Amino acid sequence: GENVEQHPSTLSVQEGDSAVIKCTYSDSASNYFPWYKQELGKGPQLIIDIRSNVGEKKDQRIAVTLNKTAKHFSLHITETQPEDSAVYFCAASETAAGNKLTFGGGTRVLVKP
Amino acid sequence: DGGITQSPKYLFRKEGQNVTLSCEQNLNHDAMYWYRQDPGQGLRLIYYSQIVNDFQKGDIAEGYSVSREKKESFPLTVTSAQKNPTAFYLCASSIDLNSLYEQYFGPGTRLTVT
Repeated sequence: GENVEQHPSTLSVQEGDSAVIKCTYSDSASNYFPWYKQELGKGPQLIIDIRSNVGEKKDQRIAVTLNKTAKHFSLHITETQPEDSAVYFCAASETAAGNKLTFGGGTRVLVKP
Repeated sequence: DGGITQSPKYLFRKEGQNVTLSCEQNLNHDAMYWYRQDPGQGLRLIYYSQIVNDFQKGDIAEGYSVSREKKESFPLTVTSAQKNPTAFYLCASSIDLNSLYEQYFGPGTRLTVT
């Protein structure tokens, strides 16, 4: 089955700096890669996703890049703000497996004002 | 408001008791899922359901059971056979199982078994 590794497990950045979180996956058939943000005591919320026919996707301060050959994808947050502090999860899924997601272990991001 | 509700937010039980966690959605989604989250870890899939009266085991189904009698409801029972039931449980739904659509998560139920 799919295995997703996520690094780093914690990330501390100064407000205004950029944050980068990286994930690798094992199943070359995976073709959908969402990123979720989870605030304390709440359920995860989708912040951006990318499909395998696209190499990069941006949404305001958030971008995701995908390298299918190397089987890794990354989340980039620019101009970080204190409200970006949360736990971020990457995930992977493949069409043949339906909408079943395999999640990475999470990255706790702290943005220091 | 459309969304997923889970109740209760906090649940306490004695060891050896079965407990049922509620999950309701009004998004008209066909697919529903249950995940378990342990401190500092990612989400692990317990059970999922593609449609009413159908459900499949996920990666860690042992000690859990589910039912899907109505489209909007997918309750999870944590049985006494589950060795380490204390965890944060998350319910999710998506439009269907066979397409790659966003999964919407509920607020979660924190279960503590002593």
